[in-house]
Amino acid sequence: DAMVIQNPRYQVTQFGKPVTLSCSQTLNHNVMYWYQQKSSQAPKLLFHYYDKDFNNEADTPDNFQSRRPNTSFCFLDIRSPGLGDAAMYLCATSRGHEQYFGPGTRLTVT
Amino acid sequence: QKEVEQNSGPLSVPEGAIASLNCTYSDRGSQSFFWYRQYSGKSPELIMSIYSNGDKEDGRFTAQLNKASQYVSLLIRDSQPSDSATYLCAVNVNAVGYSTLTFGKGTMLLVSP
Repeated sequence: DAMVIQNPRYQVTQFGKPVTLSCSQTLNHNVMYWYQQKSSQAPKLLFHYYDKDFNNEADTPDNFQSRRPNTSFCFLDIRSPGLGDAAMYLCATSRGHEQYFGPGTRLTVT
Repeated sequence: QKEVEQNSGPLSVPEGAIASLNCTYSDRGSQSFFWYRQYSGKSPELIMSIYSNGDKEDGRFTAQLNKASQYVSLLIRDSQPSDSATYLCAVNVNAVGYSTLTFGKGTMLLVSP
């Protein structure tokens, strides 16, 4: 089945220790997104790629970076995680207007 | 600033009843509208999309859009306990060929047996 895959599903990192979350897709969608969702809050768009074109939301902290080496993969790098970065990180893809989410990565910062 | 507002709930309905979930948005330029279902600890799942004024039905779900009132709703007929989840309304303002979504915080729906 075509799908969006995120690894790992659960990630524990230490305060200030860089961490990378990964997303892959078999849908061959040209747009990939990263969202942050904290408990009882709306998913918040961090950035997205339209093909290779990177689009950063204005209020996304510099601490968050992304890479998309090819159509199938996209990475979220958090350079120096703080306690406030603990959240569910959601990857989504789309070809048209409908977005499809992966299962998410739950990040804990100790 | 783009805003999407939803009543946080919980909305409690008995099994078999109609659940009505509502959403308002601030940007009159919004182009497309989506409802996602999110179970606790899981990721959002797309259940409905609507692009033009009026009603759109898919099985037990009906989405309703009124752009003049900046209002979109989701009706769930014959509600089941398995429908108990948080329902997220999402709005896209992009006029290009893909969406960038602003989400509401969601309405929690509880369906009692």
